[in-house]
Amino acid sequence: DIVMTQGVLPNPVPSGESASITCRSSKSLVYKDGKTYLNWFLQRPGQSPQLLTYWMSTRASGVSDRFSGSGSGTYFTLKISRVRAEDAGVYYCQQVREYPRTFGGGTKLELK
Amino acid sequence: EVQLVETGGGLVQPGKSLKLTCATSGFTFSNAWMDWVRQSPEKQLEWVAQIKDKSNNYATYYAESVKGRFTISRDDSKSSVYLQMNSLKEEDTAIYYCTGWGFDYWGQGVMVTVSS
Repeated sequence: DIVMTQGVLPNPVPSGESASITCRSSKSLVYKDGKTYLNWFLQRPGQSPQLLTYWMSTRASGVSDRFSGSGSGTYFTLKISRVRAEDAGVYYCQQVREYPRTFGGGTKLELK
Repeated sequence: EVQLVETGGGLVQPGKSLKLTCATSGFTFSNAWMDWVRQSPEKQLEWVAQIKDKSNNYATYYAESVKGRFTISRDDSKSSVYLQMNSLKEEDTAIYYCTGWGFDYWGQGVMVTVSS
């Protein structure tokens, strides 16, 4: 199975600042079509996860352009610009390159 | 408006069975690949199963931890997906989410507690 490992944020993050969340995969997530099969989710307290980006850097419908995904085949970053109160929660990365789909352990974002 | 509503959760003894239902609306269900994802009490997300659409022969995939015990199925005429869970174990205790369209759509989740 592909293991997904997420970094820790130096919490809390001051409102208005930027935050970068990292994720590493044990195997390249680049498929033969050239796409990188990495999703990012945000789970706010008491809510279901929400898809933020897919194919590593494509924002899901309705997602603010303050969220941007980037990376290589095995190392990924989700950058959140001008952090706001509504961005607080736990962020998860997920690989959909292979079965079984696997998630990272989550990174908590708290705001100051 | 897209809606996914899970039902069928509850408290069940180890070794027993439970069937979850996810009723959907607001999108073209027949074309959607549907998944079940669960979240443990420790908040870890775990992908459980996927069923593809008719054009992909309704292919199914499972996490190793549930293979042989859980069965995912769908009824396109009812825009619903199901998870039959047999031989339940205490470690199956979790919130179970129905999700579709590449994990873009999620239900509110249903709690399954396996305990004697």
